[in-house]
Amino acid sequence: EDQVTQSPEALRLQEGESSSLNCSYTVSGLRGLFWYRQDPGKGPEFLFTLYSAGEEKEKERLKATLTKKESFLHITAPKPEDSATYLCAVQSRSGNTPLVFGKGTRLSVIA
Amino acid sequence: SAVISQKPSRDICQRGTSLTIQCQVDSQVTMMFWYRQQPGQSLTLIATANQGSEATYESGFVIDKFPISRPNLTFSTLTVSNMSPEDSSIYLCSVVRGGVNTEAFFGQGTRLTVV
Repeated sequence: EDQVTQSPEALRLQEGESSSLNCSYTVSGLRGLFWYRQDPGKGPEFLFTLYSAGEEKEKERLKATLTKKESFLHITAPKPEDSATYLCAVQSRSGNTPLVFGKGTRLSVIA
Repeated sequence: SAVISQKPSRDICQRGTSLTIQCQVDSQVTMMFWYRQQPGQSLTLIATANQGSEATYESGFVIDKFPISRPNLTFSTLTVSNMSPEDSSIYLCSVVRGGVNTEAFFGQGTRLTVV
């Protein structure tokens, strides 16, 4: 059974204080690992897809990396507007399977 | 990306009644899914909406409780039937374009409160 574990559950940062969020996964053949941002009362917003170990992707202050067992979402010099819940999900190679989500990390950035 | 319109955005319903949620996409997509997100929890897949045939339900979800329709490649509905307070949740429509595109995009969600 595919599983995703995210840590920490919640993270509080000062503005400008860089940090990383962790996503550990087990999957029967990884087709893709996905990062989403979710603001309160809204649906998840797509950020990145990573397909193979060693791959990295960046968008503004966010950089996602992937190994064979986990992914990290690095946040460099965060701003209050980066406050949100960040969700990690995996998709296995077994056909057109839906995503399996972790419980998310709730990030608060304080000015 | 895909533009997904989900209606209603929120509703308060009496127990024992039913609510139908609509999901409209701006272009044809291969896959459509329905998720539930309970307060403080992550997303749980309810079912895959199959075009022209019965939906594929995940363990713990049944067609009598959550009937789903998908008459074409851009539209789907989810009905929450005979509601109880335990059904209070956010319901999300998700789509995947298909082919080389594996990213899933989400609607804004329907916040359902059952009283």
